[in-house]
Amino acid sequence: ETGVTQTPRHLVMGMTNKKSLKCEQHLGHNAMYWYKQSAKKPLELMFVYNFKEQTENNSVPSRFSPECPNSSHLFLHLHTLQPEDSALYLCASSQDDTAFVIFGQGTRLTVV
Amino acid sequence: GQNIDQPTEMTATEGAIVQINCTYQTSGFNGLFWYQQHAGEAPTFLSYNVLDGLEEKGRFSSFLSRSKGYSYLLLKELQMKDSASYLCAVFADYKLSFGAGTTVTVRA
Repeated sequence: ETGVTQTPRHLVMGMTNKKSLKCEQHLGHNAMYWYKQSAKKPLELMFVYNFKEQTENNSVPSRFSPECPNSSHLFLHLHTLQPEDSALYLCASSQDDTAFVIFGQGTRLTVV
Repeated sequence: GQNIDQPTEMTATEGAIVQINCTYQTSGFNGLFWYQQHAGEAPTFLSYNVLDGLEEKGRFSSFLSRSKGYSYLLLKELQMKDSASYLCAVFADYKLSFGAGTTVTVRA
């Protein structure tokens, strides 16, 4: 238990499905992040939210849609994904946008 | 982005020492992190270096040379539970960028 909780832990979805990943933190942090981790590749930063405002979007395809209703919750809405989107999706949080991030355990996504 | 290089895999024997090197090219350097990630789990913080030199924390030590763009993580008295991926991450221009990770396998 790291203080950052992600659900579900595993998800298999078809290319025409719509699903959402959820992240929750009770650390009092005000910055939240989505990262993508593919095998043998560096973690890729996807989105950054600071005080519920999106401050970074690293050229992520529109089939990934983030939502941050408050500083404790972050969602990643998925639709019409491709098989190459299969990866581990990690949520993280930090106080302000410092580098001392705490990661969740991730959602292992498989697109079939 | 940052160019962060670290070996893909390393194998060592229980009780031995392993050194994982990380080189980087960046501007606006604000610090370097090492994370440990067991399979299927969250990356967890191991160490942070912002000044040159060695930081020791129990069996783990991390070294930084800013002029050389070089860091290493030293794992001593290896235990089976140390088998994991070790991620080097550079904080520069207020962005955190990761290497691809080094998978360390500890054998009995």
